[in-house]
Amino acid sequence: SQKIEQNSEALNIQEGKTATLTCNYTNYSPAYLQWYRQDPGRGPVFLLLIRENEKEKRKERLKVTFDTTLKQSLFHITASQPADSATYLCALNAGNMLTFGGGTRLMVKP
Amino acid sequence: NAGVMQNPRHLVRRRGQEARLRCSPMKGHSHVYWYRQLPEEGLKFMVYLQKENIIDESGMPKERFSAEFPKEGPSILRIQQVVRGDSAAYFCASSPRKGGDGNQPQHFGDGTRLSIL
Repeated sequence: SQKIEQNSEALNIQEGKTATLTCNYTNYSPAYLQWYRQDPGRGPVFLLLIRENEKEKRKERLKVTFDTTLKQSLFHITASQPADSATYLCALNAGNMLTFGGGTRLMVKP
Repeated sequence: NAGVMQNPRHLVRRRGQEARLRCSPMKGHSHVYWYRQLPEEGLKFMVYLQKENIIDESGMPKERFSAEFPKEGPSILRIQQVVRGDSAAYFCASSPRKGGDGNQPQHFGDGTRLSIL
């Protein structure tokens, strides 16, 4: 069956460190993969999109990798700040829709 | 530049009543998507609409749920005869072009929290 897996346990890191979140998928062949941020009580906010022919994409302190052989995407936040604390969702295309993983909650401690 | 607007933000209904959730997409966006998020679960796709057309409703329950996106006005997600299991957050997203194949970001509203008594 098709699955998108993100670590359901919260990730706790110290301010200034690099946070690395993982998104693994099975039985999908996505052409694109997206990452979103969701704060409590709010809707998801788009962060980055990476295409299957791109190995890596960067935006300010964010970096995303996409390995179609491993069927995995890694999402990095460098020099993390308490304001980065949120739930991060990966999503990939499946037909007409985006399918989301369950999200990983990131807590950055000062 | 207004984002995706959803209303109401909170809606309380008793079992058996109808719930109507509204979504106004971003200006210039003609593609609308509805998702449901249960507590501690991920977003689940429900339906994809363009103006006056349902493109994909594969995620919609077969009964009691319907959606529309008329030529004028907001998109509406309608739930008839609500049951306790319908309690969830319902999110709407929009994109300027077809975004369901993943090549476009989707812009989300802040959702409607539906509670069934």
